[in-house]
Order: sequence, then structure tokens, then C-alpha cells
Amino acid sequence: ETGVTQSPTHLIKTRGQQVTLRCSSQSGHNTVSWYQQALGQGPQFIFQYYREEENGRGNFPPRFSGLQFPNYSSELNVNALELDDSALYLCASSLVGGNYEQYFGPGTRLTVT
Amino acid sequence: GDSVTQMEGPVTLSEEAFLTINCTYTATGYPSLFWYVQYPGEGLQLLLKATKADDKGSNKGFEATYRKETTSFHLEKGSVQVSDSAVYFCALSDRNSGYALNFGKGTSLLVTP
Repeated sequence: ETGVTQSPTHLIKTRGQQVTLRCSSQSGHNTVSWYQQALGQGPQFIFQYYREEENGRGNFPPRFSGLQFPNYSSELNVNALELDDSALYLCASSLVGGNYEQYFGPGTRLTVT
Repeated sequence: GDSVTQMEGPVTLSEEAFLTINCTYTATGYPSLFWYVQYPGEGLQLLLKATKADDKGSNKGFEATYRKETTSFHLEKGSVQVSDSAVYFCALSDRNSGYALNFGKGTSLLVTP
């Protein structure tokens, strides 16, 4: 069974730029959720994708957007980066209709300068 | 809305000491409750869970009981080890939020030899 993987591991961007982060779901899972974890804080829910559509969203502006592909992998896109977007971005996969447990990837550390 | 409050850290204990990390929650529905652990530089790992009142989750010597009357889910371990040093997050999810996880701020635990 393949776990959740994320790429890249680390990323440095400049304010105003755009970034794309990628996530591959655990084998057999059909739902992907993204979380932002600022330094010293708990993860905050960004959004969730199921059947290639957004299925719930936290308190994040529209410049945070995503995609889910037919193979259940996912992308998180952030436009017009701000310094406060510096964080660890975590992807989690789960199975709708299963036990709904979320399994996390190792995260992508984004630094905005 | 739903929320999770957990005790502030850092918590420093000697090896073999008893551990308690308090967690209380506010929820309008009937949430599932979780403890996740994050080791330095890594993503989140599910430590244990409980899906209904009076359930006890347990794993690796850690335990937590879902107490609906006190809206609590305190994490306990009888004898901690140096390898337990990590950040511990209490979280809840329910159907109303599409099973997105709502995390507390985390409690850092340092176990010294």
C-alpha cells in the first residue's frame, strides 16, 4: 500500500508569485484535503476535493485553489503569494464511504520572501 | 462553530513519568475525536481515535476516552519514553464539516532521560 506523497519537499518563492504544490493519494482513497500549518500552530483546513470537485472549504481566500485528477492526485495552487503564506502545506487522503480517517503526507515547506 | 482547545506547552517530563495532555472540544453535532502526533520535520500521524461517547482509543501505550459529559478527550500515557518527544494535536471531525479535521494548537512534549 502506497502512502500519501507530496512534492516538492521545500520551496522558496517571492511575494506576488504563484505556486503549485502536488499530492498523490494513498492507494484506494478517493478524497484529498489540504491543510496549512503555520509555524507553532495547528493545521488549518483549506479545502477538500472529492470526485474532482471542491467538497468543502475553510476560511481561505479564492487565491487558494485546487484540482483533483481522475487518479485522485491533487494540486494546490496559490496565486499572488503573501509573506503570511509561508507555512507547511499538508495533504491528506481519505475514503468517502469508508472510515473517513485522514492519512497525511510529509508536507511541503513553503517560504515566501 | 466547532473548536478544540488543548493545554499549552511545552511539557517537559522525565523518562517513565506519567503523561496527561488535556483536550476539550465544542461541537454542535456528534464528532469523532482524534489525537495526531508530529515528530520533528515530519507530517502528521494518527495516534488514536474515538468515534462515539465513552469510546476509548489506544495505541502505543497512549489512551484517550471520549467524554461527552465533560466534552473532553484527554491523552494519557503511563510511562513516557524519550522517543515520545513530539508535538501532539487533538482534533475533531464531523459530518457537518464534511469530515474535515479541526485541530487544536498542539502541545509540545519533551521527554528527558
